[in-house]
Amino acid sequence: DTGVSQNPRHKITKRGQNVTFRCDPISEHNRLYWYRQTLGQGPEFLTYFQNEAQLEKSRLLSDRFSAERPKGSFSTLEIQRTEQGDSAMYLCASSGPRTPRDQYFGPGTRLLVL
Amino acid sequence: AQSVTQPDIHITVSEGASLELRCNYSYGATPYLFWYVQSPGQGLQLLLKYFSGDTLVQGIKGFEAEFKRSQSSFNLRKPSVHWSDAAEYFCAVVLTNDYKLSFGAGTTVTVRA
Repeated sequence: DTGVSQNPRHKITKRGQNVTFRCDPISEHNRLYWYRQTLGQGPEFLTYFQNEAQLEKSRLLSDRFSAERPKGSFSTLEIQRTEQGDSAMYLCASSGPRTPRDQYFGPGTRLLVL
Repeated sequence: AQSVTQPDIHITVSEGASLELRCNYSYGATPYLFWYVQSPGQGLQLLLKYFSGDTLVQGIKGFEAEFKRSQSSFNLRKPSVHWSDAAEYFCAVVLTNDYKLSFGAGTTVTVRA
């Protein structure tokens, strides 16, 4: 069990550029979640997948955000035309079929939009 | 409105002293309850959870939490803190018909020697 991994760990980009983050969940976990955390706040839910199906999206997830989990394994989160307000920590978590509400988090990707 | 409240933004405690972090929730039905810890530069680690049954639950790293339905609270405690317990602590809930976590704003714990 290598835990949840996320890449890159840090990303600096200029406003208007597109960025993509990757999350690799724990291997047997069928649910995968994305959260966003800004300074001084708790994480906020963005979206989640069960296997390859995206089952829920938060209203926080504007049209510029898209997430995929093409084969039910890793997931990508893409932000198009980044804005300074997108600067945050993006956290990925996964949970397994036996304990679906026990979520295990990766280290996060810190995004800074200049 | 549905919410998770952590009333204390920052707590400072001496090493070896006891620690209690407060968490209150406001939901129509009792949700599933969790405590997570986040150390600098690291992801969140699950400390403990409450779904049902015994209202005093034990977790990792010597932490425990007590569920009080009458107070809509789920407070986290540790009898004797270590310097390594300095971190940010988040209370979180999952509704019984849902899977996503809703977090409080967090409490930062500083441990002084």
